[in-house]
Amino acid sequence: AQSVSQHNHHVILSEAASLELGCNYSYGGTVNLFWYVQYPGQHLQLLLKYFSGDPLVKGIKGFEAEFIKSKFSFNLRKPSVQWSDTAEYFCAVNTGTASKLTFGTGTRLQVTL
Amino acid sequence: EAQVTQNPRYLITVTGKKLTVTCSQNMNHEYMSWYRQDPGLGLRQIYYSMNVEVTDKGDVPEGYKVSRKEKRNFPLILESPSPNQTSLYFCASGLHKTYEQYFGPGTRLTVT
Repeated sequence: AQSVSQHNHHVILSEAASLELGCNYSYGGTVNLFWYVQYPGQHLQLLLKYFSGDPLVKGIKGFEAEFIKSKFSFNLRKPSVQWSDTAEYFCAVNTGTASKLTFGTGTRLQVTL
Repeated sequence: EAQVTQNPRYLITVTGKKLTVTCSQNMNHEYMSWYRQDPGLGLRQIYYSMNVEVTDKGDVPEGYKVSRKEKRNFPLILESPSPNQTSLYFCASGLHKTYEQYFGPGTRLTVT
């Protein structure tokens, strides 16, 4: 069965700092990859997704992620974070079995002013 | 407005008292799923449904039941809740062809 690892459990950054959150998955076949964000007290929302094509995908709110197949990674990046980016971020993988998603344990991002 | 709704949003109950959390979507999605979210464990899938009358166990199905009699509804049933089922529950729906899932607002359940 596939699994997803997010090694950064809690990240604290100052506003305007650059962000990179790691995501690694274990599955040797074709994958569809997602990053979801959960703002405090809210439900999960899709940030971006990768199915095929250009491995650098851009999402909402200035986020982007790069799929590196050889490293089984799909890291999330943002050049300059804002206080409003404070949230929990989840990486998720689908291996083509309908819509079944496997989630990582999440990374809590805290952005300080 | 396209959305996934869950009720109730908050529930405090006692051990052994049967409860149902409803989930409804208005996007005509084939796929629906229930997750529980616990600190440090992320989201874990409880049950999912590929379509009407088709349900299957996820990663943590023990103590839960589901049914999918209509496409839009996917209730989660706890026949005899226990304190270890205290958690935040999310329902989600999606289309098979896009793999993307849309989440409901969550139900915070406390079992004492």
